[in-house]
Amino acid sequence: TQLLEQSPQFLSIQEGENLTVYCNSSSVFSSLQWYRQEPGEGPVLLVTVVTGGEVKKLKRLTFQFGDARKDSSLHITAAQPGDTGLYLCAGQYNFNKFYFGSGTKLNVKP
Amino acid sequence: NAGVTQTPKFQVLKTGQSMTLQCAQDMNHEYMSWYRQDPGMGLRLIHYSVGAGITDQGEVPNGYNVSRSTTEDFPLRLLSAAPSQTSVYFCASSYRGSGNTIYFGEGSWLTVV
Repeated sequence: TQLLEQSPQFLSIQEGENLTVYCNSSSVFSSLQWYRQEPGEGPVLLVTVVTGGEVKKLKRLTFQFGDARKDSSLHITAAQPGDTGLYLCAGQYNFNKFYFGSGTKLNVKP
Repeated sequence: NAGVTQTPKFQVLKTGQSMTLQCAQDMNHEYMSWYRQDPGMGLRLIHYSVGAGITDQGEVPNGYNVSRSTTEDFPLRLLSAAPSQTSVYFCASSYRGSGNTIYFGEGSWLTVV
């Protein structure tokens, strides 16, 4: 059983479309992070959210942390082929452990 | 900047063999961890360490041992390899604290036949 559930698992869209990826849990986290991973490489941090209700923007990416700090969403506006990759959320638990979701594999077609 | 360095990159083992995956970081991070990544399962925590001489189990520790004799190094030992341990392994490090970035190595692809 995954502590963090991500949805959808797979997403294939056309360039220019918008999309939202969700990360849900029944546990409360001290922070939640989003990573992007390309084939053959390790995950790379996109953003960290710490406060319940927090919204962060990174160019065309918008990240939101739920009020209760149990869930998060990643919204991409006008997706581009360069956004293609595996998106992972990670919840920080008890300062010493990070638990990862199962990932959302995004493919943006030109 | 080396960051987190893992070796080997690829390894094929026979069932029952043992081996060690090496991990080193040069960022003086207190926290180091090992994950395995399987299709559809995301990253699962195997073992972690909050400092030299201190280790603890993660979600899937069975079949693996770790030690942390120095701040820089955190090797992962497979005691008796099984086909179920075929996976991609990532070593990671971070400063201990809230909301800190996890830095990952490039991964080690292990196949057990």
